[in-house]
Amino acid sequence: AQKVTQAQTEISVVEKEDVTLDCVYETRDTTYYLFWYKQPPSGELVFLIRRNSFDEQNEISGRYSWNFQKSTSSFNFTITASQVVDSAVYFCALSEAEDSNYQLIWGAGTKLIIKP
Amino acid sequence: GAGVSQSPRYKVAKRGQDVALRCDPISGHVSLFWYQQALGQGPEFLTYFQNEAQLDKSGLPSDRFFAERPEGSVSTLKIQRTQQEDSAVYLCASSLVGLRTYEQYFGPGTRLTVT
Repeated sequence: AQKVTQAQTEISVVEKEDVTLDCVYETRDTTYYLFWYKQPPSGELVFLIRRNSFDEQNEISGRYSWNFQKSTSSFNFTITASQVVDSAVYFCALSEAEDSNYQLIWGAGTKLIIKP
Repeated sequence: GAGVSQSPRYKVAKRGQDVALRCDPISGHVSLFWYQQALGQGPEFLTYFQNEAQLDKSGLPSDRFFAERPEGSVSTLKIQRTQQEDSAVYLCASSLVGLRTYEQYFGPGTRLTVT
């Protein structure tokens, strides 16, 4: 069965600390896509990254980086030198390319609190 | 506008009333999704359109929920005879192509409160 687990319900760090949000997924397909979305207090989900299962190269975008490891079925997200504006709920999601339905499988989200 | 817009942003309905929620996707986007998000939880899929065709409505919780996208652009989610358990944020998202493996762009949501 498809499943996305974000075991950390809430994380609180002080500004400028590095923080890693964990995402572990389950799938039987060989072709799949993983996503991270940010939901700030305003409520609008913001797309951060999409990664396909054949691309295991880590991605860096400014202070954000993603570590995709198929061996452990994980797609973790790290924020370096965190800022107050990073405070939000972060969701990891999975999509299987061969599946016949159209649903993204969402994790429960991790609430990140950055204290000044 | 450049992004997905939804209206109204907030809606208060008395139990038993019908409501209609509107979504304007990004121009040219083929795919349109509706989600329901309860407080403190992730989005729950409701339905999916590819252009005007509703290809998946497996997430609609009951026959009181109905969605349409008649011309392949604007979509309306209608909830008939609202119940208190329908209180949630309803999110609309659009995607450029007709594959759900592509990123979705979300609107700000409509917060529905049923009293």
